[in-house]
Amino acid sequence: QQPVQSPQAVILREGEDAVINCSSSKALYSVHWYRQKHGEAPVFLMILLKGGEQKGHEKISASFNEKKQQSSLYLTASQLSYSGTYFCGTDTSSNTGKLIFGQGTTLQVKP
Amino acid sequence: DTGVSQNPRHKITKRGQNVTFRCDPISEHNRLYWYRQTLGQGPEFLTYFQNEAQLEKSRLLSDRFSAERPKGSFSTLEIQRTEQGDSAMYLCASSSRLAPSDTQYFGPGTRLTVL
Repeated sequence: QQPVQSPQAVILREGEDAVINCSSSKALYSVHWYRQKHGEAPVFLMILLKGGEQKGHEKISASFNEKKQQSSLYLTASQLSYSGTYFCGTDTSSNTGKLIFGQGTTLQVKP
Repeated sequence: DTGVSQNPRHKITKRGQNVTFRCDPISEHNRLYWYRQTLGQGPEFLTYFQNEAQLEKSRLLSDRFSAERPKGSFSTLEIQRTEQGDSAMYLCASSSRLAPSDTQYFGPGTRLTVL
């Protein structure tokens, strides 16, 4: 039931791009992306609702493929501040809002 | 909007003791969630409230855990007879049912260490 994230870890140089994937075996109502830095709370990035909508937030965007129950997070021209662990949280119901999180993808951006 | 707050931020206790954590959600958020996070893992759902009603509780939550939200505002999470396996970060999040798909905003968490 827990979504699977890939890759588990990524190391980038500043300015490089990255893609983080999140796959679920269950039908999804929405996918929520968060970034968490060590010792801090998860910070909300964006929500993807079923319908294949792609959203953007500065140089971070995401897509949701409803047929494949898969979401991808795109990080372009990465900055040092992008370092952290990225989690996808999946919601299989429009009623509860309960999120099931993946195991996380650790991103390290080096100068 | 001051964000979600949690107290205490850190708690060290001995095995067998009871502990209680508090969460103050963003004002007017009617949904409140509790999650637990261990090192290297994503947050794990524990329970959630809509206003004062506790609508779902994870099967992973033993009878030693109880949560309340008596007036639909702040919430408390109590762990009785703590065990070393309870050591984790306990996160609270709140959302407004009026927002699309319940965007959840997390508090800073309470880190519990059971000795």
